[in-house]
Amino acid sequence: GAVVSQHPSWVICKSGTSVKIECRSLDFQATTMFWYRQFPKKSLMLMATSNEGSKATYEQGVEKDKFLINHASLTLSTLTVTSAHPEDSSFYICSASRTSSYNEQFFGPGTRLTVL
Amino acid sequence: GENVEQHPSTLSVQEGDSAVIKCTYSDSASNYFPWYKQELGKGPQLIIDIRSNVGEKKDQRIAVTLNKTAKHFSLHITETQPEDSAVYFCAALISGGSYIPTFGRGTSLIVHP
Repeated sequence: GAVVSQHPSWVICKSGTSVKIECRSLDFQATTMFWYRQFPKKSLMLMATSNEGSKATYEQGVEKDKFLINHASLTLSTLTVTSAHPEDSSFYICSASRTSSYNEQFFGPGTRLTVL
Repeated sequence: GENVEQHPSTLSVQEGDSAVIKCTYSDSASNYFPWYKQELGKGPQLIIDIRSNVGEKKDQRIAVTLNKTAKHFSLHITETQPEDSAVYFCAALISGGSYIPTFGRGTSLIVHP
C-alpha cells in the first residue's frame, strides 16, 4: 500500500509553454500533498503544500502564479508550470500523506522537466 | 525553525562492511524521524522511521537509533550490498504539527563490490 504515482515521468517542452504534472495516491486518501523541487545532487526543496479543497500554501520565494497547484480530490494534485523557461528545468517530486497517519509522507517517482 | 544537519555527504564502503549516517536536529519538539533512500532518477522511498518514544528500531539490515537528549539520530546499514548504493536523506518533523519535514542534505552511499 501507500503508492504514489506521477505523470509524466519526464517531459521536454519549448520555452514559453505550460506543463502540467499529475500526482496521484493510488491506494489511499491523501488530505495533504506536497510538491518538491530537486536540483542535481541536492536535497529536496519544498515548493508548496497542497490541501484538498483549499488553496495551496507556497513556501517563501516560490511564485504561486508561476507554479499553479490544484488539489481537487483526495487522490489527485496537479502542478502546472506556466510559461516555462530553461531555469525551470528540474526534477519535480510530489509526496502524499495519508489522512489517517499524516506524519508519513510517501513520495512519487518524480518528473524530470527539461525546458528548451 | 528546525535545522537538520547530515553527515557525511559521501560515504564509500566495501561490500559487506557497515555504513553509518548521522543527523542532528535543532528543535526539541521534533518527534518523528524518517529516513529515505533515493536511487538515481527516482523519488525518495521511506526505508525506516523512528518516533521519539523509542531509542532504536531495526528492520533486517537497517537500524535507526535516536538520542533525544543530544538531538541526534543515526542510520545503520549492516552487511552492505551494491544495491544499497543510493542517496539517503534523514528528516525531522513534529508529529501532529504542519506535517512538513525538514530534510538533511543527503548522503551519497557507494558500496563497492
